[in-house]
Amino acid sequence: SQQGEEDPQALSIQEGENATMNCSYKTSINNLQWYRQNSGRGLVHLILIRSNEREKHSGRLRVTLDTSKKSSSLLITASRAADTASYFCATVRPGANSKLTFGKGITLSVRP
Amino acid sequence: DVKVTQSSRYLVKRTGEKVFLECVQDMDHENMFWYRQDPGLGLRLIYFSYDVKMKEKGDIPEGYSVSREKKERFSLILESASTNQTSMYLCASSFWSGGIDTQYFGPGTRLTVL
Repeated sequence: SQQGEEDPQALSIQEGENATMNCSYKTSINNLQWYRQNSGRGLVHLILIRSNEREKHSGRLRVTLDTSKKSSSLLITASRAADTASYFCATVRPGANSKLTFGKGITLSVRP
Repeated sequence: DVKVTQSSRYLVKRTGEKVFLECVQDMDHENMFWYRQDPGLGLRLIYFSYDVKMKEKGDIPEGYSVSREKKERFSLILESASTNQTSMYLCASSFWSGGIDTQYFGPGTRLTVL
């Protein structure tokens, strides 16, 4: 069953703008992760946030987690054309160890 | 860098054929996973394995089986391929460290069943 639901399904922005993508989930989690997938390729891990954390940064990425609302957001600042990809949130439930449950993904297009 | 390789990028098979998809990782990871990815459905877990000769069903195991005889290799088997198994298949590996792990994905195999 799908745990994460991303919003919006598709996003188109101009190079240099910020991109914000949201993810909601239904049950309690151990951690939440964001992955990127370039067209026709495998997924690449971007960032992980634990359930007891509220915000994390990695380069141009900022992820927040609100466990009371069961939601997370991924912010990409100063976007580049190379950021064009699909982005997925994935959750790990307590006791589920390594098992990730993925959302359906967000398609981000960054126009040069 | 972790490397996960899959035996084929593209594969075309006929209905009823037995299909083997191979996945190899080079980082001694305990955990390996098989997903299928379909438009509008995201990634769905088919099977996973925490150790050699161990396997557990994911969310959509029907029509599939797996084999893990060596730690680095995890095979997905379609016993009798059907057209509804046309999909992108992704393999991943991970290891548990500090209470968390992240998955490393292969490039995917796009399977078409005619």
